Amino acid sequence: NAGVTQTPKFQVLKTGQSMTLQCAQDMNHNSMYWYRQDPGMGLRLIYYSASEGTTDKGEVPNGYNVSRLNKREFSLRLESAAPSQTSVYFCASSAPDHTGTRHYEQYFGPGTRLTVT
Amino acid sequence: SQQGEEDPQALSIQEGENATMNCSYKTSINNLQWYRQNSGRGLVHLILIRSNEREKHSGRLRVTLDTSKKSSSLLITASRAADTASYFCATDFYTTSGTYKYIFGTGTRLKVLA
Repeated sequence: NAGVTQTPKFQVLKTGQSMTLQCAQDMNHNSMYWYRQDPGMGLRLIYYSASEGTTDKGEVPNGYNVSRLNKREFSLRLESAAPSQTSVYFCASSAPDHTGTRHYEQYFGPGTRLTVT
Repeated sequence: SQQGEEDPQALSIQEGENATMNCSYKTSINNLQWYRQNSGRGLVHLILIRSNEREKHSGRLRVTLDTSKKSSSLLITASRAADTASYFCATDFYTTSGTYKYIFGTGTRLKVLA
C-alpha cells in the first residue's frame, strides 16, 4: 500500500495564479483532511471530509476550496494564490482503529511545499 | 484559536537521557494523541490516550493525561539520535458530520546529541 500520496511535492506560484493540490489514499478510509503548517504554528486544519460527497470548513478555510472526488481522492484548490498562502500543505486520512472503537489516528502524506511570490 | 500549546518549544539532550515534553489544550476532549515529524516529512502517529485514562505506555514512550489541568506529557526514555524530530500533541473533537477533527499543538523540537 502506498498510504497517502500527494502531488506535487514542490510548487512556486505567482500571486493571483491558481492551482490544485492532489491527495489520494489507498487505505479505504472514510475521512480525509487538509492542513497547512507554518513555522511555529503547528498544523492548522483547512478543510475536512467525513465521507465521499461531504466537506466541512476547518480553522483556516479562507482562500481555499476542496473537492472530495471519490472515496480515495481529496483535492485542495487555491483560486487566486496570495503570499500568505506560502506554506507546507499536508493531506491526511483516518478510519476507526483495529478494535473497531471510534478512536481515530491519522495517516499523513509527505506534504507539498508551496511558495507564492 | 483552539490550538494547543506545547513546551518547551525546543529541547536538546544527550543520547541516553530522558526527554519530557508537555502539551496544554483549551477545551474538553475525547482523546489526545502524540505524533512525531521528522524534518521535511509528514506526521507519524505515536500513541493515543483516551480521556478516561491517566497514563499509557508504548515501548520507550510514556504518556500522561490530566484532564482537570487540560494537560498531557510525553516522556521518551533512554533517548537515541533517531528520536530527533518534532513532536506534536493533537486533541480530537467529534463533529456533526460524523467524523473527528483534530487540533494540533505548536510542537516541541527535540534534538538528541550522540
